[in-house]
Amino acid sequence: DQQVKQNSPSLSVQEGRISILNCDYTNSMFDYFLWYKKYPAEGPTFLISISSIKDKNEDGRFTVFLNKSAKHLSLHIVPSQPGDSAVYFCAAPNTGNQFYFGTGTSLTVIP
Amino acid sequence: EAQVTQNPRYLITVTGKKLTVTCSQNMNHEYMSWYRQDPGLGLRQIYYSMNVEVTDKGDVPEGYKVSRKEKRNFPLILESPSPNQTSLYFCASWRGGNTEAFFGQGTRLTVV
Repeated sequence: DQQVKQNSPSLSVQEGRISILNCDYTNSMFDYFLWYKKYPAEGPTFLISISSIKDKNEDGRFTVFLNKSAKHLSLHIVPSQPGDSAVYFCAAPNTGNQFYFGTGTSLTVIP
Repeated sequence: EAQVTQNPRYLITVTGKKLTVTCSQNMNHEYMSWYRQDPGLGLRQIYYSMNVEVTDKGDVPEGYKVSRKEKRNFPLILESPSPNQTSLYFCASWRGGNTEAFFGQGTRLTVV
């Protein structure tokens, strides 16, 4: 059972515009969410996180929004840059400290 | 520098020949885990460990073994590899609680 879902396998955006990546989860016990970025031939690297006591967390061009009632989070990248082209995974640890990952969204930023 | 180190980065082997992929972390993290990444399936957890000598199955443990004899090391063992274990493997470690996990660079395994 996929506890964290990313329904869009890919997304293309023009440079300078906003990229919005979405993630849904099914486990209402999750209270912490993370986004990871992955370039080819590299391991995933941590990008930004949000605690369930917040509905927004910002770090430079990256903002994560959390809607607990909808069990939905999104990552906004503004403005998008060609170097942002990568696969993005959302993730959540459960109370047993297992990390669950979505299937990833491949973002392409077109110059 | 805080890091998770996997070796080897690339490996081609034949069906049935036992192999071990090593993973080491220098952050004194309690938790470690192995994932495999396959197209369209994202990162699926194979095994994880909560501390030395404490391990448990993840979502796809069949055909794999692990051990955690020391806190820093968490090797992944394929006793009799099969072609369906051809994949990209990642090791990760984290402190536990609401903190981020750190990943190794990955091991591209091909079983022929």
